[in-house]
Amino acid sequence: QVQLQESGPGLVKPSETLSLTCTVSGGSISTYYWSWIRQPPGKGLEWIGYVYYSGSTSYNPSLKTRVTISIDTPKNQFSLKLNSVTAADTAVYYCARGVGAYETFDYWGQGTLVTVSS
Amino acid sequence: QSALTQPASVSGSPGQSITISCTGSSSDIGAYNYVSWYQQHPGKAPKLLIYDVSDRPSGVSNRFSGSKSGNTASLTISGLQAEDEADYYCNSYTRSGTLVVFGGGTKLTVL
Repeated sequence: QVQLQESGPGLVKPSETLSLTCTVSGGSISTYYWSWIRQPPGKGLEWIGYVYYSGSTSYNPSLKTRVTISIDTPKNQFSLKLNSVTAADTAVYYCARGVGAYETFDYWGQGTLVTVSS
Repeated sequence: QSALTQPASVSGSPGQSITISCTGSSSDIGAYNYVSWYQQHPGKAPKLLIYDVSDRPSGVSNRFSGSKSGNTASLTISGLQAEDEADYYCNSYTRSGTLVVFGGGTKLTVL
């Protein structure tokens, strides 16, 4: 059974960089697409972007200038960096495995709340 | 504003059937059979219910079914149960800039 677990700071100051890591267990990261998805409190889901096991990436254009997603296959981990954060970036951040044309997310992490505040 | 439009809320009584719609465009739902549906209980991660319009992952009850007509996809839940009370989201691949789009979510209340 594939499991994903997010880790990283729960509080980030405005203008700084949000950094999260997702650790994949129960399966190899060396296939599939690996995505980050966020959900502001009380709101809907927003896809941030994915990294393919080969290292290729694709991002939501609305966040593209601030986002970097990378993969570390020996550690079975992938990571998210979002810079120049504001209060609007406060959300629960999920990591998920993408299948199909990468738009179907069959395994999700439990999510981690990141609050942007001074 | 979400790229896919869902009703904010639906409700039904135990044992009844309900349908949640998800309306997109010719760039997403109308163009591809890559529509998925997710169930999210409060404080929990979303769970995949339906993929590729109408396929169910192993372990998902056959009370959940999906369909598509034109630019609109639908999720039907039959034999409503109390544990079905949750938020439901659709999503699709899109050839527009965002690549992956979600609906705004529908809150299902079991009366």
